[in-house]
Parts: sequence; structure tokens; C-alpha cells
Amino acid sequence: KAGVTQTPRYLIKTRGQQVTLSCSPISGHRSVSWYQQTPGQGLQFLFEYFSETQRNKGNFPGRFSGRQFSNSRSEMNVSTLELGDSALYLCASSPSSGNTIYFGEGSWLTVV
Amino acid sequence: GIQVEQSPPDLILQEGANSTLRCNFSDSVNNLQWFHQNPWGQLINLFYIPSGTKQNGRLSATTVATERYSLLYISSSQTTDSGVYFCAVEGYGQNFVFGPGTRLSVLP
Repeated sequence: KAGVTQTPRYLIKTRGQQVTLSCSPISGHRSVSWYQQTPGQGLQFLFEYFSETQRNKGNFPGRFSGRQFSNSRSEMNVSTLELGDSALYLCASSPSSGNTIYFGEGSWLTVV
Repeated sequence: GIQVEQSPPDLILQEGANSTLRCNFSDSVNNLQWFHQNPWGQLINLFYIPSGTKQNGRLSATTVATERYSLLYISSSQTTDSGVYFCAVEGYGQNFVFGPGTRLSVLP
């Protein structure tokens, strides 16, 4: 069974631009969650989607948004990029809440 | 929300040594997992262990939910065990909260 797939793996953007990251969960998993990892703040929860509905949202500004499609694939978007948005963005999937979650390899975003 | 602490923050071992990593959490949890983050950034799932004890090769974990802590044991450590170990907990109806991690360095 294929694991969680994230694209792109690496990207460089300029301040003020916007970026879209994609996540394909493990087949059969309906829950997708996103995390931001930075050296200073550690791993922080962004949001979770289940069956196309956002179930939880972390404490991030409105520039961070996401969605989930009917095939459970998810995207997250960051608008008006700031230097502080440079981070590793990780996506995880699970069958449902309370189950084991599995992470993708992450997308490394650098904002210059 | 739930607070998660991990200790020690850093650990340096000689190959072959044993170690114990600890995770304390502040409230009842629905889910607790241990992860190993490799040098390339990927989080590898080690254990799903909201309670009880599990073993997988040289690694084992114990969670005492009533006392709100979990322990990860690494025996006969190898250089490939190096990396950061995270504990993550999920409260009922809440999102996952990660601890700050324990950075393990195993020296040859």
C-alpha cells in the first residue's frame, strides 16, 4: 500500500507570493492533517480535514488555508508569504480520529 | 489545551548502550504515538500506544495513562537510531499536540 505522498518536496518562493502544497493520503484514509515544523516553534498543528470538512484548526493566521477533495486528497495554501513561513510542512493521514497517523516526507518551503 | 513535555532534550550515547525517553502530558488522551524523525525530515511511526506496553525489536514503549506519562526504551542502540524522537498526544475531540522532542546522538 502506497504511503502518504506530498508534492512538491522542495520549493523556493519570494515574499508576497502564494504557495499550494498537495497531499495524497494512504488509500482508504479519510482524515488528513497538516503540520508546520520550524526550529523555533517545533511541530505545530495547522488543520485537519475529514470527509471534505475541516474538523480542527490550529492557531495560524487566515493566510493559511486548506481543503480536502472527495478522493481525500488535500491541499494547503499560504498566501502573501512571509520569511517566517519558511518551514517543513508535513501532512499526515489516518482512517479516523483516535487511530495511528502516518506522515508523508514533507514539503520544504523556503521564502526569500 | 494539552501540554506535552519530553525529557531529556538531548542524549548522547555510545553504540550498544540503552536509553529511556520520557513523555509527560497534562490531560487524558485518546491517542499517543512515538515518532522518530530521520535526518531527511520524515516522521517514522514507532508506536501507537495510548495505554499499555508494546515491543518492536530493540524498541519498546509503555504508557501509564492514569499517571499521564509514556516511556520509550531503546536497547543496544545503533548509529542509525540517531535523530529526534517525538511524542504526540491527541485529546478527545482535539488535534494532535507534539512534544519538543529528544535529540538522540549515538556515537560509533
